[in-house]
Amino acid sequence: EAGVTQFPSHSVIEKGQTVTLRCDPISGHDNLYWYRRVMGKEIKFLLHFVKESKQDESGMPNNRFLAERTGGTYSTLKVQPAELEDSGVYFCASSLHPKKSGVSYNEQFFGPGTRLTVL
Amino acid sequence: ELKVEQNPLFLSMQEGKNYTIYCNYSTTSDRLYWYRQDPGKSLESLFVLLSNGAVKQEGRLMASLDTKARLSTLHITAAVHDLSATYFCAVLEYGNKLVFGAGTILRVKS
Repeated sequence: EAGVTQFPSHSVIEKGQTVTLRCDPISGHDNLYWYRRVMGKEIKFLLHFVKESKQDESGMPNNRFLAERTGGTYSTLKVQPAELEDSGVYFCASSLHPKKSGVSYNEQFFGPGTRLTVL
Repeated sequence: ELKVEQNPLFLSMQEGKNYTIYCNYSTTSDRLYWYRQDPGKSLESLFVLLSNGAVKQEGRLMASLDTKARLSTLHITAAVHDLSATYFCAVLEYGNKLVFGAGTILRVKS
C-alpha cells in the first residue's frame, strides 16, 4: 500500500510568487491534515479536511494560504503571494476514520514533506 | 492552549549507552505519540500511548506515559548508530489536531 506522497519535494521561489503544494493521502483515508515546520520551530498544525470539507483551519496563518481538497482525494495548498517567513517544510498526513479503522485512536500517517524556500 | 516541551533538543550519545528523552505537556490529553524522522523522510510512527501508566517497547526503545504528571519518556537502551534520527513527541489536542514538541536530534557515535 502506497504511503502519503507529496509533490514537489523541494521548491525554491522568489518573494511575491505563487506556489502550489500537492498531497496524495493513503487511499481510503477520509482525514487529511497539513502541518508545517518553520526553521528551528515546532511542527505546527495548519488545517484538517474530512473528505472535501474543512473541519478545522485554525492553524492557517493568514489569507495568503488556500487549501483545497476537491472530490475528497488529493489536496493542494497554495501560497499566494509567498513571503520570506513562509519558508519551511510542509507536511501532509492522512488517517482513517476511527469507525473504519476499528481502533480508538487516530493514527496519522505522514508524507515526506515539501521543503519550501522563499528568497 | 496546549504546549508540548521536549528535551533535550540535541543528544549526542556513544554506542552502548542509555539515555532518556522527556516530553512534558501542559493540559490534559489522553493520546501521546512518538515519531521518528530520518533526514528527508516521512515522520514514522513509533508508539501511541493511550492511558496513564502505559508502557510500550520496540527493540531498544521504550516509551511510557504518566498522565498525572503530564510526562512521557522515550528511553533508549544500549544505543546503536541506526537509532540516529530526530524524535518527536506529539499530543492530541481537541479533534484530530496534533501538537508537537520541538524534536530531539539524536546522534549515536561509534
